[in-house]
Amino acid sequence: SQTIHQWPATLVQPVGSPLSLECTVEGTSNPNLYWYRQAAGRGLQLLFYSVGIGQISSEVPQNLSASRPQDRQFILSSKKLLLSDSGFYLCAWLSPSLREQFFGPGTRLTVL
Amino acid sequence: GDSVTQMEGPVTLSEEAFLTINCTYTATGYPSLFWYVQYPGEGLQLLLKATKADDKGSNKGFEATYRKETTSFHLEKGSVQVSDSAVYFCAFTPLVFGKGTRLSVIA
Repeated sequence: SQTIHQWPATLVQPVGSPLSLECTVEGTSNPNLYWYRQAAGRGLQLLFYSVGIGQISSEVPQNLSASRPQDRQFILSSKKLLLSDSGFYLCAWLSPSLREQFFGPGTRLTVL
Repeated sequence: GDSVTQMEGPVTLSEEAFLTINCTYTATGYPSLFWYVQYPGEGLQLLLKATKADDKGSNKGFEATYRKETTSFHLEKGSVQVSDSAVYFCAFTPLVFGKGTRLSVIA
């Protein structure tokens, strides 16, 4: 069966510091992968999605970037964090046959 | 453009009360529709889905019917429990999610 991991689970970073969040998927190949952010009291905001290695689509321009160095790995990065980057970051993959998404456990990021 | 609109929360109910969370959508074509649930501190889990008009998705006592004529997919449960307290998202994935409705059930 497929599983999706996110690392780390929680992170506290100072403003201006870099960021790297990792998402890995097991049990499937060539998945469509997604990064979402959920700010406190708000809904899901799609940040990036990827349909394959090296292929990244950005939905919202901001100081975040994403990379897909391997088929089942999706990285969310920033060179300099802002206070407004605080939130709950969720990675997901899409099952093409079921047309439904499966979400990771999330990373809670607090920028101070 | 494509969008999902769901009722704003928070919704507070007593245990065993009836629940309805409204969801309407705007989409090109006839997408599959989903309800996801997010328990505190966790990621999203699929609650139920419907893939075509008039389909009824159901799970854990929750139900939703895909209504093409009203472009709706309202979530219902006849008798809520404290353990149902969570945030509920209506969606047609992967790109369109509602803003979420927070449900609190009190004993």
